[in-house]
Amino acid sequence: AQTVTQSQPEMSVQEAETVTLSCTYDTSESDYYLFWYKQPPSRQMILVIRQEAYKQQNATENRFSVNFQKAAKSFSLKISDSQLGDAAMYFCALQSSGDKLTFGTGTRLAVRP
Amino acid sequence: GAGVSQSPSNKVTEKGKDVELRCDPISGHTALYWYRQSLGQGLEFLIYFQGNSAPDKSGLPSDRFSAERTGGSVSTLTIQRTQQEDSAVYLCASSQQGAPTQYFGPGTRLTVL
Repeated sequence: AQTVTQSQPEMSVQEAETVTLSCTYDTSESDYYLFWYKQPPSRQMILVIRQEAYKQQNATENRFSVNFQKAAKSFSLKISDSQLGDAAMYFCALQSSGDKLTFGTGTRLAVRP
Repeated sequence: GAGVSQSPSNKVTEKGKDVELRCDPISGHTALYWYRQSLGQGLEFLIYFQGNSAPDKSGLPSDRFSAERTGGSVSTLTIQRTQQEDSAVYLCASSQQGAPTQYFGPGTRLTVL
């Protein structure tokens, strides 16, 4: 069975500062993908960033980057230059090839102006 | 192009009634997933369709839940004899064949009185 753990139910960051959201996972598969999704109050799950397990290089998308530590089964999200629009629930998710997503419990991020 | 759409956006029903929730995936996406998001259980996988293959129903919580996908496109999730514990947001996602990234719709919020 696959599990995803997000140990930070809530986080807060000052606008323009940097924040890191934590995620650990467990899987017996060697081929898998990791995702961070953002869910604002509108409910729509929006893909933030994706990491392929076979890639050693950490994924980056503009202000969003990950720290992928495969041996430690850790997958944290760093948001740089935080903006008010970044306020949302963030979910870490794990997927084995072609299969369903297993989600963590989420981290609610507040951005202070 | 158009994203995943779901209808209705909100549904209020009485305990014991049947409900149908609809999902229109992104055109050309062969894989379609249903998830449920509730306060007590977080985000749970329900069912997965891939092309003409038999669906993966392993996440359906009871035999009151069923889903079909007509013509490889639109999907309907049916909940019979609704119970209060069925109250949740039902999310649909789709992906291209062989591609890991799932794109989500805005969800249907179901409230069972």
